[in-house]
Amino acid sequence: AQSVAQPEDQVNVAEGNPLTVKCTYSVSGNPYLFWYVQYPNRGLQFLLKYITGDNLVKGSYGFEAEFNKSQTSFHLKKPSALVSDSALYFCAVRDMPGGKLIFGQGTELSVKP
Amino acid sequence: GAVVSQHPSWVICKSGTSVKIECRSLDFQATTMFWYRQFPKQSLMLMATSNEGSKATYEQGVEKDKFLINHASLTLSTLTVTSAHPEDSSFYICSASVGWTGGFWGNQPQHFGDGTRLSIL
Repeated sequence: AQSVAQPEDQVNVAEGNPLTVKCTYSVSGNPYLFWYVQYPNRGLQFLLKYITGDNLVKGSYGFEAEFNKSQTSFHLKKPSALVSDSALYFCAVRDMPGGKLIFGQGTELSVKP
Repeated sequence: GAVVSQHPSWVICKSGTSVKIECRSLDFQATTMFWYRQFPKQSLMLMATSNEGSKATYEQGVEKDKFLINHASLTLSTLTVTSAHPEDSSFYICSASVGWTGGFWGNQPQHFGDGTRLSIL
């Protein structure tokens, strides 16, 4: 069965510093991986996806993620964090063939000025 | 593009009331819509998957008679919480996906509504 793990419940970063939010996955077959961000009392916003191709995927708001097949990881990164990046981040894998998303437990990112 | 509108955003009602939540894809046709439930500071729990024109597929443990889902068109799905009780209070989120595109499912992200905060008194 497909699964996703986000090992950190919370990540604290100073504004201007690089940030990493970790995600590992377990799939049978090719992984279809996604990152979403959720602000308080809002739905999820799509950030980026990995389907195939380059291991470094660039997405919205300056975020990128690195797909590492050998480590089964898909960590979210940003070179310089902003206070406005503070939110809840979810990694997800698509469960084939039905198409539903399997979400990690979420990581709360806090960026302090 | 790919905007999903969810309405209402907030509902407060008495125990025993039935509540309908609408999920609309505004600028694309959504062959598949998903309904999630989320508790504070927790991940999303998939409740059901609905495909336009067919019955919804419910996840294990979700009462289909309690949570009625209708996906009558390619742009609208509704979730009705029947005879709601305080334990049904939660944040409900829908998402929509194009589904099969040229025979390939996997590369389409789901697009989410802004959620509905349901509070049952």
